[in-house]
Parts: sequence; C-alpha cells; structure tokens
Amino acid sequence: AQSVTQLDSQVPVFEEAPVELRCNYSSSVSVYLFWYVQYPNQGLQLLLKYLSGSTLVESINGFEAEFNKSQTSFHLRKPSVHISDTAEYFCAVTRPTSGTYKYIFGTGTRLKVLA
Amino acid sequence: EAGVAQSPRYKIIEKRQSVAFWCNPISGHATLYWYQQILGQGPKLLIQFQNNGVVDDSQLPKDRFSAERLKGVDSTLKIQPAKLEDSAVYLCASSLSPGYTDTQYFGPGTRLTVL
Repeated sequence: AQSVTQLDSQVPVFEEAPVELRCNYSSSVSVYLFWYVQYPNQGLQLLLKYLSGSTLVESINGFEAEFNKSQTSFHLRKPSVHISDTAEYFCAVTRPTSGTYKYIFGTGTRLKVLA
Repeated sequence: EAGVAQSPRYKIIEKRQSVAFWCNPISGHATLYWYQQILGQGPKLLIQFQNNGVVDDSQLPKDRFSAERLKGVDSTLKIQPAKLEDSAVYLCASSLSPGYTDTQYFGPGTRLTVL
C-alpha cells in the first residue's frame, strides 16, 4: 500500500528566510506527486505537481519541489518566504487504481512565517 | 470562473442526528469527490463520482454515510445517524476528468461538529 509521510507538523520560520517542507512516500510502482496549500478558512489549492520529465518543478509564487526517486522524496522549498505564505501544506501521491486515480494525502505541515 | 461551492459552511449537531451537505462543482467538471478531513490529518477520499456514477466508494462507511449525484452535476453527502468521530471538515472537489493530469479544485469545506 502506498503512503505519504510529512514528518514536520509545524514549521515556524522568519520572513525572508528559506524553508523546506519534507515529504516522503512509499510505493512499489510509479506515482505522481503533488503539493497542495490550504490558507485559513479556504479549500485546498494545487501548488505544483510532478507527473514526468524534469524532476524539479516550480510554482508561480516561488516554491519548488524536487522528485527524488532513490530517496522516495518530494520536498518543497522556497528560498525566501513571505508572511502571506503562512498556511498548511499537504503532500499527496496518486497512482492508477482500478482504472482511476486515488489521491493519498499526508497529514500536512503548518508553515508559520514570523515577522 | 466560479469555484466549487459548498453549503453549509458550519454545522453543529448532536450524536444520532442526521445531517446533509451540498456541493456544486465547477461547471463542466465530470468528476466529483467528497473527502473527510479530521483535525490533524490529511483529507481522506470518501467517494468519487464520474458524472452520476460511483467510481470509488471503498472508504465510505456505508452503514451511515450516503451520497448521490443524480443529474451528474451537484451532489449531496448525508450522515445518518452521526457519531462523535464524524466531527471533521467535509471537502468537495471536482475535476474535468478522473485522470491524474487533471487538477482537483476544492471547495471551502463544511465543518461538522458532533456533540
């Protein structure tokens, strides 16, 4: 069975500092990987995804994630965070299951950016 | 483009009562998902519809939960009777198709508290 592990439940970081949110997955078959962000009182929004090709994927707001097959990781990074990045971040994995694709989400990492 | 709409946003009931949640997906999206997000956990898929047919309901507690999407557009999720452990945020999402390349768009969720 596949699973997603986000080891850090909360990550406090000062504004303009770099941040890395960790995500590891377990699966014996090829998977597709996603990061979603949830701002307070809002639904989840797709931040970025890895489907194939380049292992480094970027979002429009400066986040990036690198797919590392050997380490089964898909860590999310940003070189300089802003107050507005305060949110909960979910890593997710999906693979074909009975003709469709089922998403498995991690438990989330709450990023708090401090002034 | 209007997003995924959900109502109500909040609901408080006593155990053994019934409750229903409503979701209206993005226009033209054939696939609709209901997720349960318990505090401190990631979203867990309860049921997935493709138009008005059920694709996956393997994690839906069918003794108390039911869902329908009669006309292939909006959907209703019902809990009858509710238990304390059903306290969670219920998220609805939609996508153009069930393929892994299609982004899931989430609604703001309904926060259910069972007393």
